Amino acid sequence: SQQGEEDPQALSIQEGENATMNCSYKTSINNLQWYRQNSGRGLVHLILIRSNEREKHSGRLRVTLDTSKKSSSLLITASRAADTASYFCATEQGAQKLVFGQGTRLTINP
Amino acid sequence: EPEVTQTPSHQVTQMGQEVILRCVPISNHLYFYWYRQILGQKVEFLVSFYNNEISEKSEIFDDQFSVERPDGSNFTLKIRSTKLEDSAMYFCASSGRDLGELFFGEGSRLTVL
Repeated sequence: SQQGEEDPQALSIQEGENATMNCSYKTSINNLQWYRQNSGRGLVHLILIRSNEREKHSGRLRVTLDTSKKSSSLLITASRAADTASYFCATEQGAQKLVFGQGTRLTINP
Repeated sequence: EPEVTQTPSHQVTQMGQEVILRCVPISNHLYFYWYRQILGQKVEFLVSFYNNEISEKSEIFDDQFSVERPDGSNFTLKIRSTKLEDSAMYFCASSGRDLGELFFGEGSRLTVL
């Protein structure tokens, strides 16, 4: 079964605009993580939010977590061309099993 | 900055051949993972490894797959008899704590002909 699912699957915005990506999951979690992947490269960890946290910031990134709705969002403010990448949420599905969603492909147009 | 390194970056093999993908995790990490990503698709969990044994594995990780940490630094993924559908990018990752931040390598692209 799918644990984390992002939407939208693809998002294209103009440079300077904000980008919001959403993640929904099915079972209870201890934490939720967001990762970024540039085309053909490895994943890079962005932020981890614990189940008892509602919001977390890191630079231009803001992550929210609503455990009652089993959803999270990643907001990138003042987007730049270099933010073009795929973004994945990841949740645990077992003792040492971190499962990634399908990802949102973000394109920032200059 | 410490990083996870993977070799080879690209391997082309014939169907039925054995392949070994190698990873050097970050030195003080204890948790190790293999993921794969078929072109344009999601990143799929294969296996996690802790304390010299498999912790979790997915249904993809069948008898054709095995992992090993032979010498305390390398972490290898072996595919015994490759199939066409094994063509994918294979990512190694390590973590310093259980279900904490994963540090990924740049991947090994496997092409099975």
